[in-house]
Amino acid sequence: DGGITQSPKYLFRKEGQNVTLSCEQNLNHDAMYWYRQDPGQGLRLIYYSQIVNDFQKGDIAEGYSVSREKKESFPLTVTSAQKNPTAFYLCASGRNTYEQYFGPGTRLTVT
Amino acid sequence: QQQVKQSPQSLIVQKGGISIINCAYENTAFDYFPWYQQFPGKGPALLIAIRPDVSEKKEGRFTISFNKSAKQFSLHIMDSQPGDSATYFCAATNTGNQFYFGTGTSLTVIP
Repeated sequence: DGGITQSPKYLFRKEGQNVTLSCEQNLNHDAMYWYRQDPGQGLRLIYYSQIVNDFQKGDIAEGYSVSREKKESFPLTVTSAQKNPTAFYLCASGRNTYEQYFGPGTRLTVT
Repeated sequence: QQQVKQSPQSLIVQKGGISIINCAYENTAFDYFPWYQQFPGKGPALLIAIRPDVSEKKEGRFTISFNKSAKQFSLHIMDSQPGDSATYFCAATNTGNQFYFGTGTSLTVIP
């Protein structure tokens, strides 16, 4: 897990509420990523950011939003528009492309 | 459409045996193929990676075999140990940011 922290480990929300997942790294990495993991589907990229104040959509960005105001932080907001938000969310960072170190993950349950 | 197909879904191996996990891809532009190991409730950790200009890479008990013409690559775990029991993911990328992951293989090593 290194210097990547995700909080909280478990998160519960009611349907219709927005929720923000935290990701912080103290590794001085330029690039940061958000993935969603569902059973039997591997990891799917939601958003990534290579530099501060810039980010790109991944394959499944709909219903999610991000910000990158600081190099160390890349929070992910799961909005009420996300149809199936219950999942395991993983944040990753890297010094450059092709390199990814993952955080411990946040398990979000929406009921 | 699954960019990277992984098999088997689950694998049971005796201690000391060889574990083999296979992946296949379609996009010939992929130029980096990593393998990740994930323990329950944790984020994936990079195990070993290969570029398409070599056919094999070995690190300790872990070996990647790469067949460019067949568009396949595999992970071999020699002398498998109970501590190797985890889920293994293959991945591929040609951008260094957009990674495509396989669906994972759950490995159980029986003492």
